[in-house]
Amino acid sequence: DIQMTQSPSSLPASVGDRVSFTCRASQNINGSLNWYQQRPGKAPRLLIYGASSLQGGVPSRFSGTGSGTDFILTISSLQPEDFATYYCQQSHSNPRTFGQGTKVEVK
Amino acid sequence: EVQLEESGGGLVQPGQSLRLSCVASGFTFSTYEMNWVRQAPGKGLEWVSKISSSASSTNYADSVKGRFTISRDNAKNSLYLEMSSLRAEDTAVYYCARRTIFCSGFSCYGDAFSIWGQGTMVTVSS
Repeated sequence: DIQMTQSPSSLPASVGDRVSFTCRASQNINGSLNWYQQRPGKAPRLLIYGASSLQGGVPSRFSGTGSGTDFILTISSLQPEDFATYYCQQSHSNPRTFGQGTKVEVK
Repeated sequence: EVQLEESGGGLVQPGQSLRLSCVASGFTFSTYEMNWVRQAPGKGLEWVSKISSSASSTNYADSVKGRFTISRDNAKNSLYLEMSSLRAEDTAVYYCARRTIFCSGFSCYGDAFSIWGQGTMVTVSS
């Protein structure tokens, strides 16, 4: 199975900050990387697929880059509703696997 | 509106069984692969099982293989997860999720779990 490792596990930040966090795959997954946002008590929500394509309805302050084994999710200007946990997930091979999450919390 | 709604969770004792259901609306259910993903309390997301659009193919995580059975009824727009020999480590919120393949013209360049239900809690405890 492909292992997905996210860092950091926790990211203290303030409204308006530009924040970035990473996801690393244990082997080359090309661009087969998705990002999800999960607010407390809610279901995950797809933000980005194919490493850099924004899902419909997702604000443009979210962006994703990367290919191969290293990927980055960036929020250009953090909004109050963005304090949540973010998960990466590889769609390169079965079984689909997720990272352990990065929690963006109030500094 | 595209929606998935799970039901069937609850408190069961170790070794018992439980059946989860997920009803879809707002899209052509019969054309999509469907999945179950779970999340233990305070933990991350774990893929559990998937079933092809026609139900001809199923797959399971090693952690549930031989104990869980996924099925679907396309006439009822419904997905199921039959769970048996439940263990404490199966305690989690169970989500059903629709897999979407993203294509542009004749090129397809990725897939993701694009639609999720609200989840149903399964607690295995004596």
